[in-house]
Order: sequence, then structure tokens, then C-alpha cells
Amino acid sequence: SAVISQKPSRDICQRGTSLTIQCQVDSQVTMMFWYRQQPGQSLTLIATANQGSEATYESGFVIDKFPISRPNLTFSTLTVSNMSPEDSSIYLCSAWGQGTYEQYFGPGTRLTVT
Amino acid sequence: GNSVTQMEGPVTLSEEAFLTINCTYTATGYPSLFWYVQYPGEGLQLLLKATKADDKGSNKGFEATYRKETTSFHLEKGSVQVSDSAVYFCALEGAQKLVFGQGTRLTINP
Repeated sequence: SAVISQKPSRDICQRGTSLTIQCQVDSQVTMMFWYRQQPGQSLTLIATANQGSEATYESGFVIDKFPISRPNLTFSTLTVSNMSPEDSSIYLCSAWGQGTYEQYFGPGTRLTVT
Repeated sequence: GNSVTQMEGPVTLSEEAFLTINCTYTATGYPSLFWYVQYPGEGLQLLLKATKADDKGSNKGFEATYRKETTSFHLEKGSVQVSDSAVYFCALEGAQKLVFGQGTRLTINP
């Protein structure tokens, strides 16, 4: 299995500012993933973060808006830049568990942009 | 591309009723399939999985069978409890990425 923690758990931010979300996994993993869950909606993959290389973004998401760092095999950050109210969502990170075929999720960061 | 379609919610049932939440998928090849559950105020948890055709995943009284011929992975439980109230997501895996259905909100009344 994998235990994943995120910081902060929630935040209220003003329009035009940026927020960096941290994700920590309790074991070394090759790939980490960032998802967005808009209010009342399903989860949408933002990007895949591999250690030592640029993140791979899904259609509709760009690096300038959602820069990602992956400095080592247990940690990643997602920044939500130049925020607008439309960015109000829950942001979740995830990773596949070691030796399992199960993807584990962090508790999420609930972001509200005013 | 890959996609998952779930029955629309919300679904409201009485305690001890039989539950079915439909899930169908479109994918190239034979993806692994998952059901995740999100309890009120909590994070996303894996409920069960199936990695190949005809596999049955089960956990906490819930079951789902991977049906290749109908491209389906319906979630069932014989007798639901109030504590099963949550949002349920069907998902498939392709190239190590998960694609989620829209989620089904389930409410169980005592």
C-alpha cells in the first residue's frame, strides 16, 4: 500500500495569487499523479509527474497554469497559478502502491478562490 | 480514447435493499477496472478491483464482475446499510492513468 499526505488540507485564496500544494508518499514511487475534482464533479487528471523529467500534462492543462515539481521519489508539488474562482476545486495527488495494482490517493486540498 | 459511463444519480434506497450501480466503459485493449468510494468528508478509497475479464472483485459486501462481452463492471451489494451512503466512482486504468466515471451519489435511509 501507500500512505499519501497533502498540505495544506484547505485554503482560501484571492484571485490572481498562486498556491503550492505539497504531496508526500511514504514509499518511493516512480509516477505521481495530480487530479482535480470540481464541485460535485468527477476526478480529472491534470498531469503525471516523474522524478527527473518534466511533468506530462493532459489535454486542457498547461504548465504555465499548473507547474509541477518532482524533486525526488517521494515528493511532488503542484502550483495553481494566477488563480480565478473557476480554480476552486479539490486537488488530489495519487500514486500506485508498491507491489500492488492499486492507486492510492491523498486526502485532497480543498481550494476556494474568492 | 478511454471513457467510463456510470448510471446517473443520485440513488436513494432503504436499508437492506439490493444495490446495483451500472458502469460501462470504452477502451482499447483490456484495461483494469476499479470502484472507488468517497465517504462524506473523507478522501477517495479503493473499494475493489478486477484486472482481467471474468474476474470478480469484492470487498465489504460489494461485488463487481469484469464483463468483457458487455464492457461492463456493475457494482452490487445484496443488503445496503446506512453507512454505505457515499459517492461511488467507477474507473479504468490505461497506461497507468485512471479515467473516472462521473460518480454516483448513494443515500441509504434507515
